[in-house]
Amino acid sequence: SAVISQKPSRDICQRGTSLTIQCQVDSQVTMMFWYRQQPGQSLTLIATANQGSEATYESGFVIDKFPISRPNLTFSTLTVSNMSPEDSSIYLCSAGPGRAEQYFGPGTRLTVT
Amino acid sequence: GQQLNQSPQSMFIQEGEDVSMNCTSSSIFNTWLWYKQDPGEGPVLLIALYKAGELTSNGRLTAQFGITRKDSFLNISASIPSDVGIYFCAGQIDYKLSFGAGTTVTVRA
Repeated sequence: SAVISQKPSRDICQRGTSLTIQCQVDSQVTMMFWYRQQPGQSLTLIATANQGSEATYESGFVIDKFPISRPNLTFSTLTVSNMSPEDSSIYLCSAGPGRAEQYFGPGTRLTVT
Repeated sequence: GQQLNQSPQSMFIQEGEDVSMNCTSSSIFNTWLWYKQDPGEGPVLLIALYKAGELTSNGRLTAQFGITRKDSFLNISASIPSDVGIYFCAGQIDYKLSFGAGTTVTVRA
């Protein structure tokens, strides 16, 4: 398994500002993933972050809005840029040490006012 | 992502009962995963299934990977109050997960 931590755990931000979310894994992993979970909804994949290459974004998500960094094999950041109230969600990162299973962090609860 | 149909959407169960939930898809997956999410927490992996037809248990939980690779079910036996939460199925292909809408479980003591 993998233990994943995220910072901050929650934040309240004003529209038009940006927030960077950090994700730390307790072991080296090839791929890390970022998800969004809107209130009362399921999880939607935003992008896959690979070390040493640009992140791969899913349909409906763009790099200008959600820039991602992956400086090493245990760490990644997701920035939510130029925020609006529609960006209020839980943002989750995940990773897996092998095979197909993915383990999730506790999430970052973002409220945009 | 792929479309997963998870049912039921919610259930009220009596403590001690056995319950089932399932996921179906029009797409084939290489792996099926089941997660539980408690309020204010991230999803916790319960069971991972890697082969069509595979039946796997984790304590009171049993899950199966459908033969067609397009479906999976999860059983919870002898429900207890701490089984309350939202259960998500997820299908994996090319390392990406697609999630079902979730089954909300509430236990009547």
